[in-house]
Amino acid sequence: DTAVSQTPKYLVTQMGNDKSIKCEQNLGHDTMYWYKQDSKKFLKIMFSYNNKELIINETVPNRFSPKSPDKAHLNLHINSLELGDSAVYFCASSQNRLAGELFFGEGSRLTVL
Amino acid sequence: DQQVKQNSPSLSVQEGRISILNCDYTNSMFDYFLWYKKYPAEGPTFLISISSIKDKNEDGRFTVFLNKSAKHLSLHIVPSQPGDSAVYFCAAISNSGYALNFGKGTSLLVTP
Repeated sequence: DTAVSQTPKYLVTQMGNDKSIKCEQNLGHDTMYWYKQDSKKFLKIMFSYNNKELIINETVPNRFSPKSPDKAHLNLHINSLELGDSAVYFCASSQNRLAGELFFGEGSRLTVL
Repeated sequence: DQQVKQNSPSLSVQEGRISILNCDYTNSMFDYFLWYKKYPAEGPTFLISISSIKDKNEDGRFTVFLNKSAKHLSLHIVPSQPGDSAVYFCAAISNSGYALNFGKGTSLLVTP
């Protein structure tokens, strides 16, 4: 049973399209995150939700919109995709908002052509 | 502005020897540090952590050392095994922070 699962694992799309990545955790954690790993390999926080409430929103273009229907799910919707959005997006969860140990999903590799 | 730095992108070590991975940080408010291990096509997995009130934490073959005055930590793996070949990320957080700050990672290759 995968603790943090995200779909799709691979996504290839054209510039200008809209796409979504879904994430689910079955750990009973209160807090979920989206991290982006770009071509330089840095893992950067994008968003964090605690019990469906947004608590972190880093400097991310507003084309990126997270949605948390319940505390076990955190989806990422991206509008008007650009070449620079190509990256691996990791979903993660932690027991509470004081992020210590994170549990990561396998990552979703997005390629924008 | 990268607050956690891993200046060695890669490291190669022979099986059985010690692997030492280094990490520096700039934010003096960081008080909890973690190491994550990542295999290709997988997400990072937690390996070991240390609180700023300690200077050493050991778990089996893995030991993390923290030097607060130098803002430096290191991960020692002894003895190294081929299965340890992975990318290792250093991460840090302050007690008022809500997200881990990650370094760029160091790719470790353990050769037989």
